[in-house]
Amino acid sequence: NAGVMQNPRHLVRRRGQEARLRCSPMKGHSHVYWYRQLPEEGLKFMVYLQKENIIDESGMPKERFSAEFPKEGPSILRIQQVVRGDSAAYFCASSPNPGTGAGEQYFGPGTRLTVT
Amino acid sequence: SQQGEEDPQALSIQEGENATMNCSYKTSINNLQWYRQNSGRGLVHLILIRSNEREKHSGRLRVTLDTSKKSSSLLITASRAADTASYFCATDPLGQGAQKLVFGQGTRLTINP
Repeated sequence: NAGVMQNPRHLVRRRGQEARLRCSPMKGHSHVYWYRQLPEEGLKFMVYLQKENIIDESGMPKERFSAEFPKEGPSILRIQQVVRGDSAAYFCASSPNPGTGAGEQYFGPGTRLTVT
Repeated sequence: SQQGEEDPQALSIQEGENATMNCSYKTSINNLQWYRQNSGRGLVHLILIRSNEREKHSGRLRVTLDTSKKSSSLLITASRAADTASYFCATDPLGQGAQKLVFGQGTRLTINP
């Protein structure tokens, strides 16, 4: 059973370009979460999605960032017009139906975005 | 703001010794989880303790939870070089609605051979 897959693992973008990060959840998981980690810091929640629905995007910056989880295919985190401050590791996690409260989440290896 | 604060920020011990890491948080929770992150890698779930539990064991790991003090500790017994990693506590805040975890800044643990 393959784990959470993320690609690319490393992404370099110039300021002003777009970054697209992909996440395929574990088989059987329909809940996806995106987190951002700055160097030497913990992970910060960005967005929680189910298939075709954004459930909670309270951690997403209001501009330039968007996320989707279509009926078919991976979840996509899209960052438009990247700036140097967007440089970070972006982690995707998935879970089966978490029920009441957040249960164990399974993390991918992350995408390290560098903006030059 | 960060929910969890880990203490210490960094810990270096000799192989075979026990390692204790602490986590404090601010709001009421459904559960608290501990994760490990090896350098440059994703997070691996270690253990989940619910708000009505006080202690939980898994192999060489022992987690305690004190909801009155809003704190938790992770004990790794008989440490090994392979335990070298960053350890994060993550809380599931009560009443937040969505299934999101709030992470602390982590403890960097180094096990010296």
